[in-house]
Amino acid sequence: GENVEQHPSTLSVQEGDSAVIKCTYSDSASNYFPWYKQELGKGPQLIIDIRSNVGEKKDQRIAVTLNKTAKHFSLHITETQPEDSAVYFCAATNSNSGYALNFGKGTSLLVTP
Amino acid sequence: GAVVSQHPSWVICKSGTSVKIECRSLDFQATTMFWYRQFPKQSLMLMATSNEGSKATYEQGVEKDKFLINHASLTLSTLTVTSAHPEDSSFYICSASRQGPQFDFGPGTRLTVT
Repeated sequence: GENVEQHPSTLSVQEGDSAVIKCTYSDSASNYFPWYKQELGKGPQLIIDIRSNVGEKKDQRIAVTLNKTAKHFSLHITETQPEDSAVYFCAATNSNSGYALNFGKGTSLLVTP
Repeated sequence: GAVVSQHPSWVICKSGTSVKIECRSLDFQATTMFWYRQFPKQSLMLMATSNEGSKATYEQGVEKDKFLINHASLTLSTLTVTSAHPEDSSFYICSASRQGPQFDFGPGTRLTVT
């Protein structure tokens, strides 16, 4: 089955700096890679996603890059703000599994003022 | 606003009792819903895939007789934790898809078994 590795497990940055979270996956059949933000006591919220036919996607301060050959994808947050502090999860999936998500272990991001 | 709701948001029950958690898609029909479990400071682990009108598909290691899933309609899936024990205490989260692989997650249900 799919195995998703996520690094780092914790990340502390100063407000205004950039944050980068990296994930690798093992199943070459995976073709959909979402990123979720989870605040304490709440369900995950989709913040950005990318499909395997695209190498990069950007939405304002958030961007995701995908390297299919190396089987890794990354989340980039620029101009971080304290409200970006949360746990971020990457995931990988494909249509063969009905898009059941395989999650990374999460990255706890802290943005200090 | 929220497109997937869960009820209750939290529940405390005594060991040996059963608890039912509801997951509803609010403004769309979902033929497939997923149930996840999340322990403190850990990732989400898929428990089962809930298919409308058919039996749920459980992940390896998840006891189907303990975690009963019913997807009776296109907008409702329920998870019943039977004969709950303290080790079942966890955060249970469902998800449903509006379109394609993009899933919305419910707000989660915190279960505490005493």
